[in-house]
Amino acid sequence: DAGVTQTPRHEVAEKGQTIILKCEPVSGHNDLFWYRQTKIQGLELLSYFRSKSLMEDGGAFKDRFKAEMLNSSFSTLKIQPTEPKDSAVYLCASSFWGGDAETLYFGSGTRLTVL
Amino acid sequence: GDSVIQMQGQVTLSENDFLFINCTYSTTGYPTLFWYVQYSGEGPQLLLQVTTANNKGSSRGFEATYDKGTTSFHLQKTSVQEIDSAVYYCAMRENYNVLYFGSGTKLTVEP
Repeated sequence: DAGVTQTPRHEVAEKGQTIILKCEPVSGHNDLFWYRQTKIQGLELLSYFRSKSLMEDGGAFKDRFKAEMLNSSFSTLKIQPTEPKDSAVYLCASSFWGGDAETLYFGSGTRLTVL
Repeated sequence: GDSVIQMQGQVTLSENDFLFINCTYSTTGYPTLFWYVQYSGEGPQLLLQVTTANNKGSSRGFEATYDKGTTSFHLQKTSVQEIDSAVYYCAMRENYNVLYFGSGTKLTVEP
């Protein structure tokens, strides 16, 4: 079975650009999460979807970060405009609520560098 | 608000040493607690979980104890190996399926 797939693995952007990160959750999963990972802050929740409905969006990230679920098998995270402080690893995770609900399955992440 | 605190940012041990990583949490509810492990170049993966307070969880030689009285959730292993080198995250779930993570502890095990 395919796990969570994230593309691209690496992204380099100039300050002010718009970038879009992509995520394909595990097939059949109905919960999807976006996290940002940095050495200082660790893992911070950006967005949480249940069955494509936005359940939670990290308050501090609202203004320039927008996550969407176009369908149950695809999600995007748009950062517009990018700033150097956005340099981090962006992780997508999915799980099935109602079954093995406690386990989040993470992708390998997208490493974003903003110059 | 809800939070998870890991004070140890880095731990360096030798093979066969005893591992103990401290984690404390703060919540008004009845959380499920987790330890996730992240190897280099990969996303975090579940190591173990404990649903009920004052219970233990174990997996792959690791053990964690959930102490509601002290609001702590420690991870330990009797004898670490080089392959255990990774970043370990304590996490808490209370509402829905959202996990709140600690800042992580980077474990380096030297041969």
